[in-house]
Amino acid sequence: AQSVAQPEDQVNVAEGNPLTVKCTYSVSGNPYLFWYVQYPNRGLQFLLKYITGDNLVKGSYGFEAEFNKSQTSFHLKKPSALVSDSALYFCAVRDPSGTYKYIFGTGTRLKVLA
Amino acid sequence: NAGVTQTPKFRVLKTGQSMTLLCAQDMNHEYMYWYRQDPGMGLRLIHYSVGEGTTAKGEVPDGYNVSRLKKQNFLLGLESAAPSQTSVYFCASGDYSYEQYFGPGTRLTVT
Repeated sequence: AQSVAQPEDQVNVAEGNPLTVKCTYSVSGNPYLFWYVQYPNRGLQFLLKYITGDNLVKGSYGFEAEFNKSQTSFHLKKPSALVSDSALYFCAVRDPSGTYKYIFGTGTRLKVLA
Repeated sequence: NAGVTQTPKFRVLKTGQSMTLLCAQDMNHEYMYWYRQDPGMGLRLIHYSVGEGTTAKGEVPDGYNVSRLKKQNFLLGLESAAPSQTSVYFCASGDYSYEQYFGPGTRLTVT
């Protein structure tokens, strides 16, 4: 079965420091991978995706993610964290069997400390 | 361009009551989804649709029904609400870019 794991419930980082939010996946076939962000009392917003091509994907708000096929990981990164980056982050994978379904991780709460 | 809208934003039901949640999108997207979000469990797919007149079951479909009579609307129904259906419900739409666009959510409490 396809699955996505976010091993950290919460990540704390000081403002200005680099941040990493981890995601690992298990799918058969080539994965289509996504990151979304959720601010309090809001719906999810798309950040970036990996479909094919360059393993380093750049997205909105200065975020990027690195696809690592050998480690089955798709970690979200940002060189310098802002307090306004504090939110709930979700990793997701599209079901590669062609059903148009998406599987989401359980989410990681990022807290950027001033 | 309103994107994805959901009606209502909040609702409190008694056990056994029924209700319908409405999702509307104005982006002409083919795909629409209903998710529920519960603490510690992330988003779980309830039902989805790949086009007008089509629906399919997701991960947690029991106790819910859906309809997509018009391309822009996707309705989620609860026939007999249970406390286990207390959750935040999100609708999303998408197209061939694979990105999903989410509505603001409906907070449902079943007492």
